[in-house]
Amino acid sequence: QSVLTQPPSASATPGQRVTISCSGSSSNIGSNTVNWYQQLPGTAPKLLIYSNNQRSSGVPDRFSGSKSGTSASLAISGLQSEDEADYYCAVWDDNLNGRVFGGGTKLTVL
Amino acid sequence: QLQLQESGPGLVKPSETPSLTCTVSGGSISSSSYYWGWIRQPPGKGLEWIGSIYYSGKTYYNPSLKSRVAISIDTSKNQFSLKLSSVAAADTAVYYCAREIGLLTGFIQNWGQGTLVTVSS
Repeated sequence: QSVLTQPPSASATPGQRVTISCSGSSSNIGSNTVNWYQQLPGTAPKLLIYSNNQRSSGVPDRFSGSKSGTSASLAISGLQSEDEADYYCAVWDDNLNGRVFGGGTKLTVL
Repeated sequence: QLQLQESGPGLVKPSETPSLTCTVSGGSISSSSYYWGWIRQPPGKGLEWIGSIYYSGKTYYNPSLKSRVAISIDTSKNQFSLKLSSVAAADTAVYYCAREIGLLTGFIQNWGQGTLVTVSS
């Protein structure tokens, strides 16, 4: 059971916009900044968004992040087939004194 | 360009204490700007943070693994290592080493390619 809750799956057609949520608590998302990672099939994860809403170098502006209270979201607009991947949110948890990941969301581009 | 390369035994027996090493190239592990961490991913499952170490040797561990984990750093070799004691089948996973920028407001900036460790008799 992950400290951060993400929907296990999401899907949309090319060109559409999709949003992936990440729900936490006051000791993690409520206190610290949220990061998002993309993991393409068979590869290591890659930093997508850091500090809630900052895109990592080379990440297209179709990807955006936001945070409100104890929840965060990753939005992908103009969905492309190459966006099909697993997406993970992550944040530092003050109670656990460690980094925690969401369970991951598998995005399918229909 | 920074590169991280994991190395270690691919297959270990239950109750053993395998050691994994991450060799860093293209950057100094002694930099005060970074932390160095280990993350694992069981087959078909999500990511789990194992722990992180600062160049000074200060460590942070996942509470659920703390009693079995030891992370160390060797600045002379530009390497850091992970030891996981008393392994069981549930420790079978791809183990990634990573460079982290900060902790509370930080993130994992760079990842190694990962190495699969299988626990089986």
